[in-house]
Amino acid sequence: DTAVSQTPKYLVTQMGNDKSIKCEQNLGHDTMYWYKQDSKKFLKIMFSYNNKELIINETVPNRFSPKSPDKAHLNLHINSLELGDSAVYFCASRGTGELFFGEGSRLTVL
Amino acid sequence: GNSVTQMEGPVTLSEEAFLTINCTYTATGYPSLFWYVQYPGEGLQLLLKATKADDKGSNKGFEATYRKETTSFHLEKGSVQVSDSAVYFCALREYSGGGADGLTFGKGTHLIIQP
Repeated sequence: DTAVSQTPKYLVTQMGNDKSIKCEQNLGHDTMYWYKQDSKKFLKIMFSYNNKELIINETVPNRFSPKSPDKAHLNLHINSLELGDSAVYFCASRGTGELFFGEGSRLTVL
Repeated sequence: GNSVTQMEGPVTLSEEAFLTINCTYTATGYPSLFWYVQYPGEGLQLLLKATKADDKGSNKGFEATYRKETTSFHLEKGSVQVSDSAVYFCALREYSGGGADGLTFGKGTHLIIQP
């Protein structure tokens, strides 16, 4: 079983559209994250959730909104997509110290 | 704030060469340190970690020692293989009491191993 799974793996859409990326972890972890990886492979934390409460929001535009229906899920919703949103988005959950990552969702905005 | 600096790539080596990827960090306290690896088209996988000074993390022939005096966590491997070609990320986590602090990553080093 995949520990951290996210869908879809690829997403191609037009500017101005709204899209969501789903993430689920079956590790029983309390904390989940969203990271953005740009074309130069740089990883930047976007959000984290601990027991369904938002803890970190690293100057991300409010077009991005995380939603956590329960401890095992942290979805990312993006409104009014812009060209600069094109990137790979990674979901992760944290155990005792290290993070476990999903395989990524590549978003391309045309 | 916390930061991680690692050598820029790409680093190109021949098979069986010795590998070192430098990583230094800045933190206010005593962070845990990690190396992650990202193979093409995949997510990040934990390669090794160290949680306190002088700890050595090791996995798959890779090693890194937590050096508090030099604030470093350099990654080494004695003999690299073509299958080691990937992007390697150094990262730290400093517990701040909030419970949800994530990892701070370096910019990644692209390693290319030629046959």
